[in-house]
Amino acid sequence: EAQVTQNPRYLITVTGKKLTVTCSQNMNHEYMSWYRQDPGLGLRQIYYSMNVEVTDKGDVPEGYKVSRKEKRNFPLILESPSPNQTSLYFCASSLREAYNEQFFGPGTRLTVL
Amino acid sequence: GQNIDQPTEMTATEGAIVQINCTYQTSGFNGLFWYQQHAGEAPTFLSYNVLDGLEEKGRFSSFLSRSKGYSYLLLKELQMKDSASYLCAVLDSNYQLIWGAGTKLIIKP
Repeated sequence: EAQVTQNPRYLITVTGKKLTVTCSQNMNHEYMSWYRQDPGLGLRQIYYSMNVEVTDKGDVPEGYKVSRKEKRNFPLILESPSPNQTSLYFCASSLREAYNEQFFGPGTRLTVL
Repeated sequence: GQNIDQPTEMTATEGAIVQINCTYQTSGFNGLFWYQQHAGEAPTFLSYNVLDGLEEKGRFSSFLSRSKGYSYLLLKELQMKDSASYLCAVLDSNYQLIWGAGTKLIIKP
């Protein structure tokens, strides 16, 4: 089944404890992206990747890191999480550029205490 | 700045028709997307418009007017399962997606 998977789905952590949210797609998509979604706000892009070893900042990259060592994986790293990073996070992928339909992962609900 | 405006919430009756509007001011335009998002779930793609006019896909249609910076999503023969948030997103001149906050659609029997 063609899909985007994220892990974990739910995470409660404490300020300053490094964490990684994994994202993997099995559709051979070149474009991958991370978003956060907060009540009353639209999806905001954190980072995106046009292809392997190519990553760029989105609208809200501060406090986040990403890597794209393989085409299928695009992990999101929070080196020192803070409470303002409490949010719902989505990974998405599309065939090529952002003008293609994006397929979203199921989301990761992160709480930073 | 770049801005996407959608109504926060709308209510409609099962079996009826509803139109969800989206207006945008962005630096350039390379297309407009509509996504559906059920509560607690991921967004799923509904439509993509890059040229003016109406595109129909079953019970859902999407309209675009680039000169007016305006789009709408039309849902016909509403079903209870259509209760969801509908997200409008515009691809700007840098091929970056700008997302609206979404419209929560409540369907009543």
